[in-house]
Amino acid sequence: KQEVTQIPAALSVPEGENLVLNCSFTDSAIYNLQWFRQDPGKGLTSLLLIQSSQREQTSGRLNASLDKSSGRSTLYIAASQPGDSATYLCAVTGNFNKFYFGSGTKLNVKP
Amino acid sequence: GAVVSQHPSWVICKSGTSVKIECRSLDFQATTMFWYRQFPKQSLMLMATSNEGSKATYEQGVEKDKFLINHASLTLSTLTVTSAHPEDSSFYICSAGGTSASYEQYFGPGTRLTVT
Repeated sequence: KQEVTQIPAALSVPEGENLVLNCSFTDSAIYNLQWFRQDPGKGLTSLLLIQSSQREQTSGRLNASLDKSSGRSTLYIAASQPGDSATYLCAVTGNFNKFYFGSGTKLNVKP
Repeated sequence: GAVVSQHPSWVICKSGTSVKIECRSLDFQATTMFWYRQFPKQSLMLMATSNEGSKATYEQGVEKDKFLINHASLTLSTLTVTSAHPEDSSFYICSAGGTSASYEQYFGPGTRLTVT
């Protein structure tokens, strides 16, 4: 069964810092990997989707990379802002379109 | 973009009663929808796959007689929590698929269920 792990579980940084969130998965047979943001008590906001054939995707200050063979993905956030404070989840898509989520990284960006 | 809605956004019910949660794809048709549960400070756990016109497929450990899923149309799936207990209190989120080429999922805003 697919296992998705996210490190670190929590991260606190001062505003303006660049940071990296890590995601690893045990089964490399995935269709895609997606990064989400979740605010407290809210649903999911999709940030970036990387197809299995792609190496990275960029959106604004966010850059996500995928190394399928090693089962790893990173989310790079440049020039962090207090508004970036949230929980970040990565998920991989396996057979039958099933999503497997990591446990998330709770980010706090201090003003 | 693709939009998925859920209703209600939050509900409080008494122990022993049943509650129904709706998941709708507003601007696209979804032959498959998924239901997830999220306990406080934990990640999302897939409960079941809802297939239009056929029975849902449940993940291991999820009671199908307790969590009834009906996928009546290409835009609507419902999750009914029967004989709810306080331990069923959770955040329930549904998702619906986009095109099969992308395998992208669009998530609803979630439903907060509190059983007293």
